[in-house]
Amino acid sequence: ELKVEQNPLFLSMQEGKNYTIYCNYSTTSDRLYWYRQDPGKSLESLFVLLSNGAVKQEGRLMASLDTKARLSTLHITAAVHDLSATYFCALASNSGYALNFGKGTSLLVTP
Amino acid sequence: DVKVTQSSRYLVKRTGEKVFLECVQDMDHENMFWYRQDPGLGLRLIYFSYDVKMKEKGDIPEGYSVSREKKERFSLILESASTNQTSMYLCASIASNTEAFFGQGTRLTVV
Repeated sequence: ELKVEQNPLFLSMQEGKNYTIYCNYSTTSDRLYWYRQDPGKSLESLFVLLSNGAVKQEGRLMASLDTKARLSTLHITAAVHDLSATYFCALASNSGYALNFGKGTSLLVTP
Repeated sequence: DVKVTQSSRYLVKRTGEKVFLECVQDMDHENMFWYRQDPGLGLRLIYFSYDVKMKEKGDIPEGYSVSREKKERFSLILESASTNQTSMYLCASIASNTEAFFGQGTRLTVV
């Protein structure tokens, strides 16, 4: 069974600071996804990581994947209030396309 | 842009009613999914389909069924709605090795 663990589950940070969200998973996978969800809304795709060592950046967010360590990180640089949301990582098992989600990290960026 | 459209944003149904949640995607994706999202439990897979008329149970299929008569449409059916099925329901579609796109979600309340 593919298990996905995110930490921290809750994160309060000041504007301008940097922080990292971690996503550990239990079995091999060739696709890792990061999503953002605003309250009451659906999931917005941020990144798809397909290979070991993959790194993608969009604005203040950077995601990376280490398949040997079974770890992905989402790094936030110089946080701003607009980044307040819940962030999910998800993996597809090698046997199919169904995504297994972490519990999500609820991020609050304060002045 | 890929679009995944769910038929209703908000729905209120009575206990025992048969409920249909509809999802349509316009990108000819083979794979479609239904998840439910509950506070503290994250997103859990109910059913998925990898082709017309094909379906597979996810992690929590009890009390639900699905129908996929056409490639673009994937329906979730609550045979006899119960209060513990009050939740946010999210439909998603994906082609191989690409992003998974989510619909806007249906918030179902069973009274």
